Amino acid sequence: KAGVTQTPRYLIKTRGQQVTLSCSPISGHRSVSWYQQTPGQGLQFLFEYFSETQRNKGNFPGRFSGRQFSNSRSEMNVSTLELGDSALYLCASSLSLRTGELFFGEGSRLTVL
Amino acid sequence: GENVEQHPSTLSVQEGDSAVIKCTYSDSASNYFPWYKQELGKRPQLIIDIRSNVGEKKDQRIAVTLNKTAKHFSLHITETQPEDSAVYFCAASRLTGGGNKLTFGTGTQLKVEL
Repeated sequence: KAGVTQTPRYLIKTRGQQVTLSCSPISGHRSVSWYQQTPGQGLQFLFEYFSETQRNKGNFPGRFSGRQFSNSRSEMNVSTLELGDSALYLCASSLSLRTGELFFGEGSRLTVL
Repeated sequence: GENVEQHPSTLSVQEGDSAVIKCTYSDSASNYFPWYKQELGKRPQLIIDIRSNVGEKKDQRIAVTLNKTAKHFSLHITETQPEDSAVYFCAASRLTGGGNKLTFGTGTQLKVEL
């Protein structure tokens, strides 16, 4: 069974640009969550999607957005990039909304110059 | 919202010794407490979890204890081995069917020395 797949693994952008990250969950998993990981702030929740609907949202500005498709694949977008957006963006999938256990992908490492 | 504090931030032990990592949470409605291990350059992986209706759970060399009254939970690793070296994150969540949002602690860098 394939794990959670994230693309791209690494990317470099400049301030003001936008970026789209992609996540394919484990087959059969319908919930997809996104987390931002930085050395200073640790793992911080961005949002969670289930059945193409955003179910939870963390405390991030509106520049951070996401969506989920009918096949459960998810994308997140960050517009007007700032230096502080440099981080590892982790996607995690789960069977349902009350499973608890998250299966993480390897992450997308974003560097903003 | 939920706030999770984790201590210590770094922990160094000799191989074979025990390691204990402690976390406290603020939301009394939290009912699910997982621990994730993240090796350098790798994804976080669940190593053990506990739900609020249980006080202790053990899996081989790893155990977790939960004190709901004091709102704290701990990870215990016995007979540590070099492969236990990693960053460990505790987390808390209110699992009610509304989602799997986890609030993480800031992590503990565990180093097991030979």
